[in-house]
Amino acid sequence: AQSVTQLDSQVPVFEEAPVELRCNYSSSVSVYLFWYVQYPNQGLQLLLKYLSGSTLVKGINGFEAEFNKSQTSFQLRKPSVLISDTDEYFCAVSDLGSARQLTFGSGTQLTVLP
Amino acid sequence: DAMVIQNPRYQVTQFGKPVTLSCSQTLNHNVMYWYQQKSSQAPKLLFHYYDKDFNNEADTPDNFQSRRPNTSFCFLDIRSPGLGDAAMYLCATRSGGAADTQYFGPGTRLTVL
Repeated sequence: AQSVTQLDSQVPVFEEAPVELRCNYSSSVSVYLFWYVQYPNQGLQLLLKYLSGSTLVKGINGFEAEFNKSQTSFQLRKPSVLISDTDEYFCAVSDLGSARQLTFGSGTQLTVLP
Repeated sequence: DAMVIQNPRYQVTQFGKPVTLSCSQTLNHNVMYWYQQKSSQAPKLLFHYYDKDFNNEADTPDNFQSRRPNTSFCFLDIRSPGLGDAAMYLCATRSGGAADTQYFGPGTRLTVL
């Protein structure tokens, strides 16, 4: 079984400032890692994913994330946020089996202030 | 160009009145998932289909059932909705390949009166 912890439920940040959203996971097996964004009253859109290879992955909308196996972390970063980045962000893991079901963290509400 | 379609987007039902939520996909994906997301919480997997094979999560209430008549469609049936079943229901699909990911629909928000 896997679990995901998003340490910050809310992150306020000023426009054009850098931001980091934290995610830690626990698993007894190898996992894939994901960050999704959820727009209000909408489904989830994939921002980026780590399956293997380079530990730094780049996603859409200028976001990137770094996988750290020793710290079991997958932090999401953006060097300069926009007002339009205000949304809920979910970190998720899946095992490598056929089901590939996602286990989500509790989410982080990013609010970008003018 | 919608790939995962959920109908309706908003559904209102009465306590105890059966309701069916619909999901369709144009991606020809093998795997379809149903998640429940309550207010300010993370999505929680209810069940999934790998082709015609149904897989129920251990803690999914018996009140929730699903049908997948063909590759494109998957339905979530709530036999006797309670107030606690009010939530956003998300459908997702995945091709089934080694390096693929889940694509989500826009969700159906269910209100139980």
